[in-house]
Amino acid sequence: EDKVVQSPLSLVVHEGDTVTLNCSYEVTNFRSLLWYKQEKKAPTFLFMLTSSGIEKKSGRLSSILDKKELSSILNITATQTGDSAIYLCAVEEDWSNAGNMLTFGGGTRLMVKP
Amino acid sequence: EPEVTQTPSHQVTQMGQEVILRCVPISNHLYFYWYRQILGQKVEFLVSFYNNEISEKSEIFDDQFSVERPDGSNFTLKIRSTKLEDSAMYFCASDHGFNYGYTFGSGTRLTVV
Repeated sequence: EDKVVQSPLSLVVHEGDTVTLNCSYEVTNFRSLLWYKQEKKAPTFLFMLTSSGIEKKSGRLSSILDKKELSSILNITATQTGDSAIYLCAVEEDWSNAGNMLTFGGGTRLMVKP
Repeated sequence: EPEVTQTPSHQVTQMGQEVILRCVPISNHLYFYWYRQILGQKVEFLVSFYNNEISEKSEIFDDQFSVERPDGSNFTLKIRSTKLEDSAMYFCASDHGFNYGYTFGSGTRLTVV
């Protein structure tokens, strides 16, 4: 079964809109949750969240982790066409002291229209 | 900003052939990873590598696959006897292990024909 589930699958908005992307997870040894932006090729790192309730913010993007609800949201305010991408959520499980794997969700495809 | 470099960007190979995908991780990073993404599907973990040995591997990473860090800078993924279903984007990533998140390379698109 899917350990990391993202919603919605896709989203079309207009420039200036605010969007909220969701990620829920179900893993045994949670260590951290990461958000990535994937445009044409490589996922590029946005945020890593390890503590519940703390908001990480970078410009128009922000994210919060809710460890009680096993979920996270990624908010993008005042969207621009350059925000169009697939947003990936990944969860890191702590199985060892070295090289913890990430389990990715299926992503949310965001399209921002002019 | 430091980057993870992967070569080649695209490789086409015949079924049954061996391929080697190359990666140069960020120089002060200690942990190295390979992930793959079949077109339209999720990014999937293959293997992690630390201190010159595999630290974790997924079910996908069977005897067909191997990794090596031959010279202290390159990190390679070898796929022996490629199959059609090995066609995917292969991403290398590295991390220095202090909760800053991975850095992914730009990927190698492998097409097996």
